Amino acid sequence: QSALTQPASVSGSPGQSITISCTGTSSDVGGFNYVSWYQQHPDKPPKLMIFEVSNRPSGVSNRFSGSKSGNTASLTISGLQAEDEADYYCSSYTSSSTLVFGGGTKLTVL
Amino acid sequence: QVQLQESGPGLVKPSETLSLTCTVSGGSSSRYYWSWIRQPPGKGLEWIGYIYYSGKTNYNPSLKSRVTISVDTSKNQFSLNLSSVTAADTAVYYCARAWCVGCADYWGQGTLVTVSS
Repeated sequence: QSALTQPASVSGSPGQSITISCTGTSSDVGGFNYVSWYQQHPDKPPKLMIFEVSNRPSGVSNRFSGSKSGNTASLTISGLQAEDEADYYCSSYTSSSTLVFGGGTKLTVL
Repeated sequence: QVQLQESGPGLVKPSETLSLTCTVSGGSSSRYYWSWIRQPPGKGLEWIGYIYYSGKTNYNPSLKSRVTISVDTSKNQFSLNLSSVTAADTAVYYCARAWCVGCADYWGQGTLVTVSS
């Protein structure tokens, strides 16, 4: 299985909105509504931010939202804050009942 | 509060077997996917596999021939064995609890395993 495709880096200023894309195939992202997004700060384990494409776990800010169109999922962060600076990873369930991650995107808050 | 903690050797020799255990406290083992994920230094996340509460396992196809995940419910532990390791297996290894295959809500802090002679 091939890793999902994410941009290596994105950046934005405080208060702005940014979107991170995650492109797969019809065998993963496009075939199932089981896309998740994780936030990872340096030397910390990942934190689940979005599950099943657009759902937020309890305690996650509503500034984080997810969507999907075809084989591409997206994570949008609105009202950027300094604490949002981190690496972000998407993941998707696959037709083989496995999981595949994206390569990760480094978000810089300018 | 659910907590997961990885344990095992931090150094493994090439061609040997990497063995890690994840101890779970503060929660039940029912209806969860007990997962292992790794992250080579400076690189992205790689899913290794899971064992469902029923005992069903599933592994990353690229690692499948070398991976075994097992569970010991009496000890609230699940384990990872990765055989015939090489330097490419050097990574921080995380254990995690997930309520769906990709919905990992609790993670261990991670343990660095280095493969070197």
